[in-house]
Amino acid sequence: NAGITQTPKFQVLKTGQSMTLQCAQDMNHEYMSWYRQDPGMGLRLIHYSVGAGITDQGEVPNGYNVSRSTTEDFPLRLLSAAPSQTSVYFCASSYVARPWSNEKLFFGSGTQLSVL
Amino acid sequence: KNEVEQSPQNLTAQEGEFITINCSYSVGISALHWLQQHPGGGIVSLFMLSSGKKKHGRLIATINIQEKHSSLHITASHPRDSAVYICAVAPLGGGATNKLIFGTGTLLAVQP
Repeated sequence: NAGITQTPKFQVLKTGQSMTLQCAQDMNHEYMSWYRQDPGMGLRLIHYSVGAGITDQGEVPNGYNVSRSTTEDFPLRLLSAAPSQTSVYFCASSYVARPWSNEKLFFGSGTQLSVL
Repeated sequence: KNEVEQSPQNLTAQEGEFITINCSYSVGISALHWLQQHPGGGIVSLFMLSSGKKKHGRLIATINIQEKHSSLHITASHPRDSAVYICAVAPLGGGATNKLIFGTGTLLAVQP
């Protein structure tokens, strides 16, 4: 089935450990992004990509790394996890849409990450 | 002050009621999005607007670019509409789905 797949759903890390959150879409979307959602705050952009080989920082990039070697995959790496990175993470993808279009943004199912 | 403000933060309604959720923003935008987040956490895109009004089933979204304001209406509300509704804007200069700025959401509970 066409869609966006995000794994894992849950993860517990110790401070200093590293891990990679996976995000893959099969809709040939150019635009992919990673957001974090914290209680009482709106989702915040971590990193985004407008195509293979192109990535850029969002609002809260520190402590995270991304790459976009293929159109389908956009993994998010935590290099050395910190308790401040405890959050729910969402990846999202879409075509690079025009405002008057009916294009939609598709979200992964989310990853609940706890850093102890 | 947040760039995207939603009101109310919490809303309880009786089944069948007409519901309005408001979103005000302070930046120039290329598009505004309404999203729905279910209790299980998944996020679904409802509408993307740049002007006027869009309707899908019992949901209607409107936007007034001059006043920097959008509303999401739910007609004949049902308990299955219970969710968090999130407003997000795409700032000018980027694409319509790029670099979104999100509101904190409106928690809607529809009681039978």
